[in-house]
Amino acid sequence: DIQLTQSPSFLSASVGDRVTITCRASQGISSYLAWYQQKPGKAPKLLIYAASTLQSGVPSRFSGSGSGTEFTLTISSLQPEDFATYYCQQRGTFGQGTRLEIK
Amino acid sequence: QVQLVQSGAEVKKPGASVKVSCKASGYTFTSYDINWVRQATGQGLEWMGWMNPNSGNTGYAQKFQGRVTMTRNTSISTAYMELSSLRSEDTAVYYCARAISGSGSYIFFDYWGQGTLVTVSS
Repeated sequence: DIQLTQSPSFLSASVGDRVTITCRASQGISSYLAWYQQKPGKAPKLLIYAASTLQSGVPSRFSGSGSGTEFTLTISSLQPEDFATYYCQQRGTFGQGTRLEIK
Repeated sequence: QVQLVQSGAEVKKPGASVKVSCKASGYTFTSYDINWVRQATGQGLEWMGWMNPNSGNTGYAQKFQGRVTMTRNTSISTAYMELSSLRSEDTAVYYCARAISGSGSYIFFDYWGQGTLVTVSS
């Protein structure tokens, strides 16, 4: 089974910062990776699919890149509403999550 | 607009079963697989399995094989997930999600239900 490892698990940042979250796959998965944002008490929300395609309605400050075994989610300028937990996903496997908090 | 609306919270005793529903609207129910994902309090997301509403075909994560059953009623555009032999570790929020899939390993979830809290307690 493929495993997805996110880093860091916890990230503290300020409004306006640029942040990057990494997701590493235990074997090559081409570009078959999605990213989700989850806020407390809410369902996950799809941000990016196919590694770099922005889901409709998602702000352009979110971007994704990578292929094979290493992927990144970047938020170019953090907004207050971006503080949440982020997960990567490939088929039936999710990363363990990265919690992004306000510094 | 696409919506997935799930049934309400449940409290069950160990050993019992629970059946959670997920009613779809705003799209053709039989055109997209429904997946189920659960999340224990403070924990990450755990995929449970998928169901094709058109054929009724299913696929379950190995961890839940023998305990989970995913079904549907196409006349009311509703998917169901039943989990049996409940134990305290099954206490979690259960989500249904619509899947977009393509060739190979291309699967992601574009719409999610609001979640159903299942509490297993004696």
